[in-house]
Amino acid sequence: EVQLVESGGGLAQPGGSLRLSCAASGFTFKNYAMTWVRQAPGKGLERVSVISGSGGITFYADSVKGRFTISRDNFNNTLYIEMNNLRAEDTAVYFCAKGVRQLVNWNWFDSWGQGTLVAVSS
Amino acid sequence: IQMTQSPSTLSASVGDRVNITCRASQNIDSWLAWYRQKPGKAPNLLIYKASNLESGVPSRFSGSGSGAEFTLTISSLQPEDFATYYCQQYVSYYTFGQGTKVEMK
Repeated sequence: EVQLVESGGGLAQPGGSLRLSCAASGFTFKNYAMTWVRQAPGKGLERVSVISGSGGITFYADSVKGRFTISRDNFNNTLYIEMNNLRAEDTAVYFCAKGVRQLVNWNWFDSWGQGTLVAVSS
Repeated sequence: IQMTQSPSTLSASVGDRVNITCRASQNIDSWLAWYRQKPGKAPNLLIYKASNLESGVPSRFSGSGSGAEFTLTISSLQPEDFATYYCQQYVSYYTFGQGTKVEMK
């Protein structure tokens, strides 16, 4: 059974940093692209970033480009996102999700974690 | 690529047939998925490649369309289907629609 468990969320000050983790199990992690999707309170789903199975290709939403860095550890089956220079508008539940292909394109997402809340406030 | 869902909110009763539309700003062939998100939960994949039912998803869900216009149909609404539904294109990176909330009439 595929399991994705996010951690690392919490309260951060504007301009601060957080690193989220997503521990994966139940599938061959390195064979699938992974993504972070966020959902601000009462709002819809917003793509944040996606990384290929090898980790060599990444994409970022314009809203986080230059501030967030996605990475993965294929030995320890863990996905990360380093979030710097946080803004109030980054407040959201952050979900990790598993793609159905190794490459970043042509992916839908067949398994999701339960999400971790990031709140940015002074 | 922009994805636009309609309606934004839909009021229905248990047993109703429900249709949700998703329009793409350009041709995406059949590269479209649908998700259901229950309140406080993660999204759950329902349909991929416009009309393929994900394993384990009830057969009351179906998807149709190609090019730039797509429809998710729930043939007989069940209590657990009061939720928000999202379409997602994946021909160019990926983009979600803004969501359609199905609420109890």
